[in-house]
Amino acid sequence: DARVTQTPRHKVTEMGQEVTMRCQPILGHNTVFWYRQTMMQGLELLAYFRNRAPLDDSGMPKDRFSAEMPDATLATLKIQPSEPRDSAVYFCASGLVQGRTGYTFGSGTRLTVV
Amino acid sequence: AQKITQTQPGMFVQEKEAVTLDCTYDTSDPSYGLFWYKQPSSGEMIFLIYQGSYDQQNATEGRYSLNFQKARKSANLVISASQLGDSAMYFCAMREGSSGGSNYKLTFGKGTLLTVNP
Repeated sequence: DARVTQTPRHKVTEMGQEVTMRCQPILGHNTVFWYRQTMMQGLELLAYFRNRAPLDDSGMPKDRFSAEMPDATLATLKIQPSEPRDSAVYFCASGLVQGRTGYTFGSGTRLTVV
Repeated sequence: AQKITQTQPGMFVQEKEAVTLDCTYDTSDPSYGLFWYKQPSSGEMIFLIYQGSYDQQNATEGRYSLNFQKARKSANLVISASQLGDSAMYFCAMREGSSGGSNYKLTFGKGTLLTVNP
């Protein structure tokens, strides 16, 4: 089965450090989402791309977060500087823009900022 | 206003019984899709079932079926013959169409934690 690959799986970092999370979407998928999951807020949409173009990043704190898709095989989410409140699980998902088969999620990156 | 509302934070069901997980949604877009995902304790997100707004019939996938009531804007998930492995968090999500600026955004509800008792 095709998979969405996210790296790293776990990341512990100190406050103020830069964090980069990577996602390899499934080949052929034209839509990529980044979500953050916390107990308090649930699944929050941070950013999404269609055909590598950013469509909406209104859910992302712009001063510290950035999302890019430099090519069709890589999406990145960067936090600089990181803060303890950024601790969460970050999911990447890919799919077809009007697909009926659902979006495939990666295993997530569990980020802890101390 | 919340786009997706799941009013049941937690649900319990006996093994082999059926259970319904509620989901209501809010959109003015005529074209949209509704999804259900399962998140077991391991954390992965597993796609279960999809219903399109123009679909004439309720979606079914094995033991999962979607009770789609368009006029009431509800898309409840029905799990028949519950199994212990069904214990998990269940999320309802909506993908709106291209009108109104939503541009196929996928929005999730807060989830329902289902516990299947032996």
